[in-house]
Amino acid sequence: EPEVTQTPSHQVTQMGQEVILRCVPISNHLYFYWYRQILGQKVEFLVSFYNNEISEKSEIFDDQFSVERPDGSNFTLKIRSTKLEDSAMYFCASSRNRGGTEAFFGQGTRLTVV
Amino acid sequence: SQQGEEDPQALSIQEGENATMNCSYKTSINNLQWYRQNSGRGLVHLILIRSNEREKHSGRLRVTLDTSKKSSSLLITASRAADTASYFCATGETSGSRLTFGEGTQLTVNP
Repeated sequence: EPEVTQTPSHQVTQMGQEVILRCVPISNHLYFYWYRQILGQKVEFLVSFYNNEISEKSEIFDDQFSVERPDGSNFTLKIRSTKLEDSAMYFCASSRNRGGTEAFFGQGTRLTVV
Repeated sequence: SQQGEEDPQALSIQEGENATMNCSYKTSINNLQWYRQNSGRGLVHLILIRSNEREKHSGRLRVTLDTSKKSSSLLITASRAADTASYFCATGETSGSRLTFGEGTQLTVNP
């Protein structure tokens, strides 16, 4: 069964460092997303991506964040200068259509900023 | 209350009992989805119900949607210890591509 895969599963980084979280969405999906979940809180939308550009982003997705689809399979989230409050589980998701079908989530990357 | 709020926040039942979780939302939606999350793990998609549907079944899951009340319920019948997890509803809006998640219900099924 096709699935969304994310690497690494856990990343520890120093405050101020740049991190890149990687995702391989399901191959025939066209919409890609990043969400995050701070420990003990609900899942929050960060950004959606379609046709090689951002289609929607939340207030959380400020200039520190960027997304890229560098090749035909990977989808990355970059945080330029990490802050302590960026510590969270980051989930990548993909869907065939925009919001109208199920979104499939990866297992997440737990980012710890120290 | 916020978009996609579930109640109860926590539910503890015995194996074999039914578990019902509720979700309320505020905006117009295209669909409502339910996800399960085992502790510290990813989100597993359970079921999607569209705004023009009232009820949907999948195995031991039954979802209802009442758009006039902006609410949904998830029923898990004949629960098992393996159903222990957090359950989230998420709404897909008529405009936009995001899913908006609720706070989640922590379900504990005791063997």
